[in-house]
Amino acid sequence: AQRVTQPEKLLSVFKGAPVELKCNYSYSGSPELFWYVQYSRQRLQLLLRHISRESIKGFTADLNKGETSFHLKKPFAQEEDSAMYYCALKGAQKLVFGQGTRLTINP
Amino acid sequence: KAGVTQTPRYLIKTRGQQVTLSCSPISGHRSVSWYQQTPGQGLQFLFEYFSETQRNKGNFPGRFSGRQFSNSRSEMNVSTLELGDSALYLCASSLLGSGRPSSYEQYFGPGTRLTVT
Repeated sequence: AQRVTQPEKLLSVFKGAPVELKCNYSYSGSPELFWYVQYSRQRLQLLLRHISRESIKGFTADLNKGETSFHLKKPFAQEEDSAMYYCALKGAQKLVFGQGTRLTINP
Repeated sequence: KAGVTQTPRYLIKTRGQQVTLSCSPISGHRSVSWYQQTPGQGLQFLFEYFSETQRNKGNFPGRFSGRQFSNSRSEMNVSTLELGDSALYLCASSLLGSGRPSSYEQYFGPGTRLTVT
């Protein structure tokens, strides 16, 4: 079975502080992991995927198979990062989402 | 390219009725997936269609059904509506070419907000 857990429903940090949004997964095969973001009044959109090993808007995420984690990090938070973030796992051709973490960046 | 479009954007129905939601994918995309989003359960996968065939199905009762047409447009139907079906229904399209990971990038529509009274 595929499962994605985002332990924090809400996360609040100050502008300029580091951010880490946690994501743990459960999957017996080789996972493909993604982070999606939904800004206020906008559509859900892909932020980054582990296969690309890229940095988008200053965010990075490293797949740790030993800890079955795919945490999203940014060294210096900006106010425009306030949004809902979803971790997602693609297993047998379907995408399973975590419950999401609402990130609020305080000025 | 135009993005994924969903119609209608808002819908109010009463218990026991049925409803049909529509999704038009990005041009050239052959896969359409449907999700139900609620505050309590988050985003839950309903089903996925590819080339008019259902490829995957989530854990929803048979009242939830869908189909895909030859132009890749998709419809989702919910029969005998219940209060708990009130949700935002999201449609997402993807290219799903050769099965490479990049082909599974999903592009989401704005959603249809269904309220059941």
